[in-house]
Amino acid sequence: GAVVSQHPSWVICKSGTSVKIECRSLDFQATTMFWYRQFPKQSLMLMATSNEGSKATYEQGVEKDKFLINHASLTLSTLTVTSAHPEDSSFYICSARSRDGANEQFFGPGTRLTVL
Amino acid sequence: DAKTTQPPSMDCAEGRAANLPCNHSTISGNEYVYWYRQIHSQGPQYIIHGLKNNETNEMASLIITEDRKSSTLILPHATLRDTAVYYCIVRVAETGTASKLTFGTGTRLQVTL
Repeated sequence: GAVVSQHPSWVICKSGTSVKIECRSLDFQATTMFWYRQFPKQSLMLMATSNEGSKATYEQGVEKDKFLINHASLTLSTLTVTSAHPEDSSFYICSARSRDGANEQFFGPGTRLTVL
Repeated sequence: DAKTTQPPSMDCAEGRAANLPCNHSTISGNEYVYWYRQIHSQGPQYIIHGLKNNETNEMASLIITEDRKSSTLILPHATLRDTAVYYCIVRVAETGTASKLTFGTGTRLQVTL
């Protein structure tokens, strides 16, 4: 099956700093990528949908200025958590959908962010 | 997308079949039933999906009732590695649409020796 990678797999940062998380589709081109957030013992919550070359669409309640999403190519999307605070500590997961028209979404392994 | 209802948790003995139910009574005619699972601290993994016919692949079988208001995911011979949270999701799946996967609370399956 298609492979989606995320980097880093975990990160610890100080409050007030910004953190960038990369999501790559390794063996397919992804026209659409999705970013989810998951708090402990909770389900995945969709944060935003990004299409290559256009601005991301954010879900209600997600601050677009705090969670910057860039989808500059068909194989790479980045999520930058700006001025991170302890409440932003979470498991961030991306997924990608292939441009070949199939509507399957393939998920990355996730990135655990801890803000001190 | 239609909402789904799943039991919060289930236990299954290793080697036995695990039958995970899902209710989706408000499903629309063009909505598919998808199943994903999430092993602890990993990203979700696709298992299977179907529209109205029963489906089987190397991982599992999906049984959808004739009225499509409920379905059952069957893991024929559960192993300890099948311990995970299983999510049943219904959504439109036409090619090219930007439909989203909306995750509910899922069923936490614990496979025991």
